[in-house]
Amino acid sequence: SQQGEEDPQALSIQEGENATMNCSYKTSINNLQWYRQNSGRGLVHLILIRSNEREKHSGRLRVTLDTSKKSSSLLITASRAADTASYFCATDGNNDMRFGAGTRLTVKP
Amino acid sequence: DGGITQSPKYLFRKEGQNVTLSCEQNLNHDAMYWYRQDPGQGLRLIYYSQIVNDFQKGDIAEGYSVSREKKESFPLTVTSAQKNPTAFYLCASSGPGRGLFFGSGTQLSVL
Repeated sequence: SQQGEEDPQALSIQEGENATMNCSYKTSINNLQWYRQNSGRGLVHLILIRSNEREKHSGRLRVTLDTSKKSSSLLITASRAADTASYFCATDGNNDMRFGAGTRLTVKP
Repeated sequence: DGGITQSPKYLFRKEGQNVTLSCEQNLNHDAMYWYRQDPGQGLRLIYYSQIVNDFQKGDIAEGYSVSREKKESFPLTVTSAQKNPTAFYLCASSGPGRGLFFGSGTQLSVL
């Protein structure tokens, strides 16, 4: 079973706008991670947030974690056409990393 | 350069045949993982290994087998018992408390 569930399934925005993706999960976690995948490629690790952290930043990325609601969000600010990709959250509960179905982000130039 | 290498990039399987996908890493990571991805879908965990000579089943282990005889290597065999093997297979490794490093994947198709 997939641990994380991303929302929305697909998101289309204009270049320069912000993109927000959400992730919900079911069980307790050690950390939550976000990944990006360009079509037909492997995934690239973006950011990791530990269960005792509430917010983390990395460049244009901002991740929040609410363990009481078992949810996380990924914000990409000032989006670029190159941000077009699928984004996945993954949870590490027992050293068995499990992924959600992903959000397909399209950034139009 | 440290990294994780999957081979081959494309693989074709005949009915009734077992095929093996290679995954090698030189990152000195203890943990390694195999995932299956179907078109437009997320990743599903097949097997994972936290240490040499030990591995655990993931959510969809039926029809697959693995071995972990060396820290660097975690090959996946798709057996003839896997009736729907066509998919994109991804291998990953990680250090403790760190993110996963992924290989570039193997696309398996059935002839």
